[in-house]
Order: sequence, then structure tokens, then C-alpha cells
Amino acid sequence: GAVVSQHPSWVICKSGTSVKIECRSLDFQATTMFWYRQFPKQSLMLMATSNEGSKATYEQGVEKDKFLINHASLTLSTLTVTSAHPEDSSFYICSVILRTYEQFFGPGTRLTVL
Amino acid sequence: DQQVKQNSPSLSVQEGRISILNCDYTNSMFDYFLWYKKYPAEGPTFLISISSIKDKNEDGRFTVFLNKSAKHLSLHIVPSQPGDSAVYFCAASDRGSQGNLIFGKGTKLSVKP
Repeated sequence: GAVVSQHPSWVICKSGTSVKIECRSLDFQATTMFWYRQFPKQSLMLMATSNEGSKATYEQGVEKDKFLINHASLTLSTLTVTSAHPEDSSFYICSVILRTYEQFFGPGTRLTVL
Repeated sequence: DQQVKQNSPSLSVQEGRISILNCDYTNSMFDYFLWYKKYPAEGPTFLISISSIKDKNEDGRFTVFLNKSAKHLSLHIVPSQPGDSAVYFCAASDRGSQGNLIFGKGTKLSVKP
């Protein structure tokens, strides 16, 4: 499989600030990475598909100006939550796709917005 | 509308017995199904998968069954062990997507010694 890391593992921030979450593929060059969000007792919801060298594809209902995704290299994708609000508090998880259907997930980032 | 449903939020099983986790789906375009295991504050870990051309796939203690006509799949764990206690997510994908996975809400399995 692929080894995926995320940084930070948890972050607490004040309302109105921006937070950047990094997703790294440690042993695999990933042209495609996915960003998911999970609210308590809910399923993982796909937010966007991050493609290296091009713009991310956002799922319906996800504000692209609020959740900025940059996939500048084959091993790094970043998700920036801009002007974070308490309702953005969630567990954010990224994944890389090794072959069609085979996704390997990072450990996740717990965001708490006060 | 949920395309992948796990109707049992929790399941409790005695160690050594069989655990059966169920999953239903509505989208007939789905052609690949996966089960992930997730511990709190961690990302999901891939367990086992099955293609729509098969009706069974086995890997050690884990077996996934697919009933396409009923749009139903299940994960069997036998024998269950306390270390299997986690949340299990069913996920589905279709060839037309970019490998996007649609997840169910998960079933929390507790295996009691």
C-alpha cells in the first residue's frame, strides 16, 4: 500500500483565522489525492479531488473559496480552511489513490474552531 | 439521499463468534466495494474489497459477500477477536468516477472477551 501522513494531527484555532493542513504521500507519487471530512457519527464525505498541477474538483456544496486546495507536487497536497468558523470543526482526512479503487488514507487532522 | 447505507450503527459480539456487518447500496452503477476499519482519531485502514463480477472474496478471517440483485454486501469476521473492535465503513465506487468512494455511516463493532 501507500503511506500517507498528515500534519498537523490536531489544531485549535480562533474563529476567522485560516488553517493549513498538509497531506503527504511518503512512498508513492500521487497524481490524485482526495480530501474528506467526517463529522461525529457521520460517514466520510468527499470534499474535493486534488489533481497535481491542475485545479481541484470540488463536490457539490463545498465552497472552493473557503477550502483552498493546492497540489503542487506529486507528494504534497494542502487544504487551507480560510476564515474558519465553529461549524468547520471536523475531522479532515486525505487519501491517495494507488490504483483505481485502491485508496490509502492519512491519519486525519482534528480541527476545532473556537 | 444516501447511496450507501449501513443501517446498524453498532454491533456487539462475543470473542470467537462470527461478526456480520451489513451494507446496502442504491446505485446500480457501483462496480467495486470496499470495507475499511477505523479507530478513533485515525484514518480508515483498507480491509478487503470485492468487484461486482464476484460474489465472494476471502482474506483470512475476513470474507465479503456481494448480492448484486439485492444490492447488498456483508462482511463476515470469524473468529472475532477483541482487536477487531473498531468502526467499519462500507464504501462503493463506480468505474466512471475518478476512484471516488462513497462511504456508509459506519458500524461500530465491539468484540467482548
